[in-house]
Amino acid sequence: GNSVTQMEGPVTLSEEAFLTINCTYTATGYPSLFWYVQYPGEGLQLLLKATKADDKGSNKGFEATYRKETTSFHLEKGSVQVSDSAVYFCALPYFSGSARQLTFGSGTQLTVLP
Amino acid sequence: KAGVTQTPRYLIKTRGQQVTLSCSPISGHRSVSWYQQTPGQGLQFLFEYFSETQRNKGNFPGRFSGRQFSNSRSEMNVSTLELGDSALYLCASSLGQGKYTGELFFGEGSRLTVL
Repeated sequence: GNSVTQMEGPVTLSEEAFLTINCTYTATGYPSLFWYVQYPGEGLQLLLKATKADDKGSNKGFEATYRKETTSFHLEKGSVQVSDSAVYFCALPYFSGSARQLTFGSGTQLTVLP
Repeated sequence: KAGVTQTPRYLIKTRGQQVTLSCSPISGHRSVSWYQQTPGQGLQFLFEYFSETQRNKGNFPGRFSGRQFSNSRSEMNVSTLELGDSALYLCASSLGQGKYTGELFFGEGSRLTVL
């Protein structure tokens, strides 16, 4: 079945530092890939996605490139802000008949210090 | 457009009791999914409902159940609560049909503490 392996946290960075959170996946075919973010006290929200190999998803300064050769979808940001402190989840879909669900990675807690 | 609404936001129960959590999806969304979030296990899929039918179920014991009403609102129930059921329960809605986008809209969750 589909699975996601995500970089363990927590990650602590200073403001304006470069961020990379690693994500690799195992799946049949080439599914869409997603990054979700959970800010403190809130539910998850979609951060970005890529629907096919070599696609780059981007949003709010974050980027991730779908690399089928390495089955990876690493999240990057060139200059993090304190407001980026949150938990980040890599995810891919799983289909079973008409059912649809997302399989999430373990999550990476990011803390950005001023 | 109102977001996904979950009630109650916080609740405390004792072992052996049961609990019912409610979720109102975004208007027009017919699919509701439930996830359990714990520090140790992360996000685990509980079940998904579409048009009042359970389409998929995760690997949870029968104490966990759910249903969906004709207005797409959903409830989940946990009976005979155990300490390990303490978690944040997240509900997510989506259109549930047509081209799959993978975008789920999550509520803020119901935090259950079992004493």
